[in-house]
Amino acid sequence: GQSLEQPSEVTAVEGAIVQINCTYQTSGFYGLSWYQQHDGGAPTFLSYNGLDGLEETGRFSSFLSRSDSYGYLLLQELQMKDSASYFCAVYNTDKLIFGTGTRLQVFP
Amino acid sequence: NAGVMQNPRHLVRRRGQEARLRCSPMKGHSHVYWYRQLPEEGLKFMVYLQKENIIDESGMPKERFSAEFPKEGPSILRIQQVVRGDSAAYFCASSSELVQGKLFFGSGTQLSVL
Repeated sequence: GQSLEQPSEVTAVEGAIVQINCTYQTSGFYGLSWYQQHDGGAPTFLSYNGLDGLEETGRFSSFLSRSDSYGYLLLQELQMKDSASYFCAVYNTDKLIFGTGTRLQVFP
Repeated sequence: NAGVMQNPRHLVRRRGQEARLRCSPMKGHSHVYWYRQLPEEGLKFMVYLQKENIIDESGMPKERFSAEFPKEGPSILRIQQVVRGDSAAYFCASSSELVQGKLFFGSGTQLSVL
């Protein structure tokens, strides 16, 4: 079977750093993606890790360890607009399988 | 360059009716994916299509649900004889190919079954 686990909720204050972890069990693993979704909105792509290590895109970074079946999304210099749900997704053979999402609330 | 277009945004049906959800992928994209999302939950994969072909329908319920992506026109997700449990947001996504795990999502169709 396939499963992805993420914390259900994370809270932080503006300007802080937050890390959202994702562990997975799957066959046919090609890489790990991260998506952001605001309430009532469409998921939007943030980052992808096909190889072990850190990928940085502005305030967001993503990390993958294939040997540990583990990845994380790191958000720096948090802003109020970062309040949203964040999903990790495994690229599996021919499709993306999504986790249940982490709701991030950023407080002033 | 228009993004992924889904219509309608909201669809209300009574139990037993049919629901037809449409998705036009981004220009140049020939891969279409349908996902279902319940409130406070993740996106559940339903089906992956390329033009005129169903590639992977492992997430589709065996009955009442069907999908197509014809040579011309949008992709259609069809739900026959809807039940209240079908109420959900249905998202379509497209890609030119699944490059680096990146899909472009439409705004979704919120289906409400009365």
